[in-house]
Amino acid sequence: QQKVQQSPESLIVPEGGMASLNCTSSDRNVDYFWWYRQHSGKSPKMLMSIFSNGEKEEGRFTVHLNKASLHTSLHIRDSQPSDSALYLCAASDTNAYKVIFGKGTHLHVLP
Amino acid sequence: DMKVTQMPRYLIKRMGENVLLECGQDMSHETMYWYRQDPGLGLQLIYISYDVDSNSEGDIPKGYRVSRKKREHFSLILDSAKTNQTSVYFCASSSGTGAGNTLYFGEGSRLIVV
Repeated sequence: QQKVQQSPESLIVPEGGMASLNCTSSDRNVDYFWWYRQHSGKSPKMLMSIFSNGEKEEGRFTVHLNKASLHTSLHIRDSQPSDSALYLCAASDTNAYKVIFGKGTHLHVLP
Repeated sequence: DMKVTQMPRYLIKRMGENVLLECGQDMSHETMYWYRQDPGLGLQLIYISYDVDSNSEGDIPKGYRVSRKKREHFSLILDSAKTNQTSVYFCASSSGTGAGNTLYFGEGSRLIVV
């Protein structure tokens, strides 16, 4: 069973639109979440991290975390074609080195 | 400069041949990882290394082994490669656990086993 589940698998948004991606962990020990972005043919790169309940904003990107439900979401406003990529959610617990990834959401931003 | 370097970037091997994938990092990170990525499956953890000669199996270690003799260098070895090991392999490093566990990835090694 996948311990980090992401939805949707694929998302199409128009340029300038809002993209919303979801991620939930089934492991109650998880304390930390990251969002990585991977452009086609490239390696994953950390986009945002969130470790506390609430919201964190960086430019066009906002992440939310609800620790009670182990749910995080990534929202991209004013989406650009360059945002088209695979978005991977990752989770880890406090004392662990192990970082587990979800299967990802493919985001396509149409010009 | 913070960099994780993987070699080779592309490799074609015949079934039954041995494969050596190498990874280096210049950040003095203690922890290093090997993942494989297949379409629709995300990143699957093969091995973790906590430091020199201190390695632990990840979620899919079967068919793989690792070696870490220097902190900056971590190798993945496939003894007698199988066709189902065709994949893209990513090495990563991080500085610690918990909030410090942001991973820095190499550019990947694409392995095809025929």
